[in-house]
Amino acid sequence: QKEVEQNSGPLSVPEGAIASLNCTYSDRGSQSFFWYRQYSGKSPELIMFIYSNGDKEDGRFTAQLNKASQYVSLLIRDSQPSDSATYLCAVTSSGNTPLVFGKGTRLSVIA
Amino acid sequence: DAGVIQSPRHEVTEMGQEVTLRCKPISGHDYLFWYRQTMMRGLELLIYFNNNVPIDDSGMPEDRFSAKMPNASFSTLKIQPSEPRDSAVYFCASTPYGRVDHNEQFFGPGTRLTVL
Repeated sequence: QKEVEQNSGPLSVPEGAIASLNCTYSDRGSQSFFWYRQYSGKSPELIMFIYSNGDKEDGRFTAQLNKASQYVSLLIRDSQPSDSATYLCAVTSSGNTPLVFGKGTRLSVIA
Repeated sequence: DAGVIQSPRHEVTEMGQEVTLRCKPISGHDYLFWYRQTMMRGLELLIYFNNNVPIDDSGMPEDRFSAKMPNASFSTLKIQPSEPRDSAVYFCASTPYGRVDHNEQFFGPGTRLTVL
């Protein structure tokens, strides 16, 4: 049973701070890692993906992957109230195979 | 492109009734996924199709659930008979074949199902 674990939160951070969201996964064969953002009442949307160990930056977002520790994280710099949402970690073993989603971490950015 | 289209957006029905959810994937996408989302269980994959063929339905909770994809532009998820524990948001998602660089799934707006 492939599992993806996330702290459900809520994670509260002040505006302008760095939000750190964490995810662990059980399948050592996992190759692709995704972060989806889901606003309340809306559908998930992709914000970042990462395949290789290390960091990947895209604007205010940085994804970090450590395959040895089976750990992936998402950092949001200069957090804004508009970042308040649930962040879903998703993992897949190979291209075009089903994603396994974590239950998500709810982030609240306080103005 | 209009994105993934789902209907209805909201469905309220009584226990024992048949429910049919509909999905139109993005044109040209070869994979279609049906998910169910609840607070308790998160986002769960129910079934997915490749080129209209069901590939894995191991996530379908029981025989009351069935899904079809008669053509590349339409899929249905049917629950018969419905039960209160089926209340959830049901998402349809699609992804193009060959996107081995990343497996972004494009989600529809979802159908919020309430079974009384």
